[in-house]
Amino acid sequence: AQTVTQSQPEMSVQEAETVTLSCTYDTSENNYYLFWYKQPPSRQMILVIRQEAYKQQNATENRFSVNFQKAAKSFSLKISDSQLGDTAMYFCAFMKGNGNKLVFGAGTILRVKS
Amino acid sequence: KAGVTQTPRYLIKTRGQQVTLSCSPISGHRSVSWYQQTPGQGLQFLFEYFSETQRNKGNFPGRFSGRQFSNSRSEMNVSTLELGDSALYLCASSSNPSTGEVLHFGNGTRLTVT
Repeated sequence: AQTVTQSQPEMSVQEAETVTLSCTYDTSENNYYLFWYKQPPSRQMILVIRQEAYKQQNATENRFSVNFQKAAKSFSLKISDSQLGDTAMYFCAFMKGNGNKLVFGAGTILRVKS
Repeated sequence: KAGVTQTPRYLIKTRGQQVTLSCSPISGHRSVSWYQQTPGQGLQFLFEYFSETQRNKGNFPGRFSGRQFSNSRSEMNVSTLELGDSALYLCASSSNPSTGEVLHFGNGTRLTVT
């Protein structure tokens, strides 16, 4: 069974600064997908970024980028130029190739301070 | 395109009752999956339906059931409610998660069991 671990329950960052959220996972699969979702107080889970395990290149979406270390089974999220609207719970999630369910980590609450 | 729509947004039920939650996926999406979110257990997979067939089921008792209709809309039913069923229930739709397609989530239904 796959597991996803987020070791930082809470983090805070000043507006305009950079913050990195950690995620590690455990799997024996070789083909899989990794995701970061954010959940603001509105409750809706919003996709931040997606990474395909067979791609060595780290995914990037505007201010959001990942550091994907397949051998170390690590998938951290870097948020640059943090904005107040980035305040949310961030979840790291795993899906195996040919799978149809997400396995989530416990989440990290990120607070961006002005 | 309209997003994933879940109804109702809030529900209050009494122990022993049953409840039905509804989810309308994004147009064209054939996969609908359900997740339970609680402070203690985090996000847990309930089940996934694709073209009216349940393809995967999480580790939940038989009181939790679901179905999908020919228009891809899905319902989730919980019978004989227990206090521990109080949670945020999230529905997600995808064109086909087995190919790593992104899951798009609704705003959730907050169920309170008293």
